[in-house]
Amino acid sequence: RKEVEQDPGPFNVPEGATVAFNCTYSNSASQSFFWYRQDCRKEPKLLMSVYSSGNEDGRFTAQLNRASQYISLLIRDSKLSDSATYLCVGADGGGADGLTFGKGTHLIIQP
Amino acid sequence: DAGVTQSPTHLIKTRGQQVTLRCSPKSGHDTVSWYQQALGQGPQFIFQYYEEEERQRGNFPDRFSGHQFPNYSSELNVNALWLGDSALYLCASSFGGLNEQFFGPGTRLTVL
Repeated sequence: RKEVEQDPGPFNVPEGATVAFNCTYSNSASQSFFWYRQDCRKEPKLLMSVYSSGNEDGRFTAQLNRASQYISLLIRDSKLSDSATYLCVGADGGGADGLTFGKGTHLIIQP
Repeated sequence: DAGVTQSPTHLIKTRGQQVTLRCSPKSGHDTVSWYQQALGQGPQFIFQYYEEEERQRGNFPDRFSGHQFPNYSSELNVNALWLGDSALYLCASSFGGLNEQFFGPGTRLTVL
């Protein structure tokens, strides 16, 4: 069974701090990983793709550790607007696949 | 460039009824996937359509069925609704073999 596990939080973090989330996946055949952001009562929005050794986009860095089967997301210099639920997602290769979502980690940035 | 659109935005049905939800993919995308998201949970994969055929299916009963049209738009049908079907139904589109999927705003279904 394909599973993606995340700490649901909430993570309460002061503005400007650095915060990190981890997620673990059970399906060793998973090839592609993503972080999605979901605001309350809105659709998930693709934040970052994590394909091989990691990815960095501005204040956001994602890392993949295949040996330990976990993915991490690091947010530096957090902003109030970063408050959201962050969904860790895995997919098998080939594209003919549904995405397997974790339940999400709730982040609250406090002023 | 229009993103993924879904209709209706909200829907209220009673147990035993049937419902049809609609999705238009992002321009240039040919693959549509449907997800169910219950409150406090991550989205759960229902099925994916490509070239007007169901390409893959998640762990959902046959009451959930779908269709893809030649213009790549898609419908999700749910028969014999029960209370547990109340959820946000999300449509996501992608292109061919790429796993990067882009979501529509969803249809919030309430079954009474």
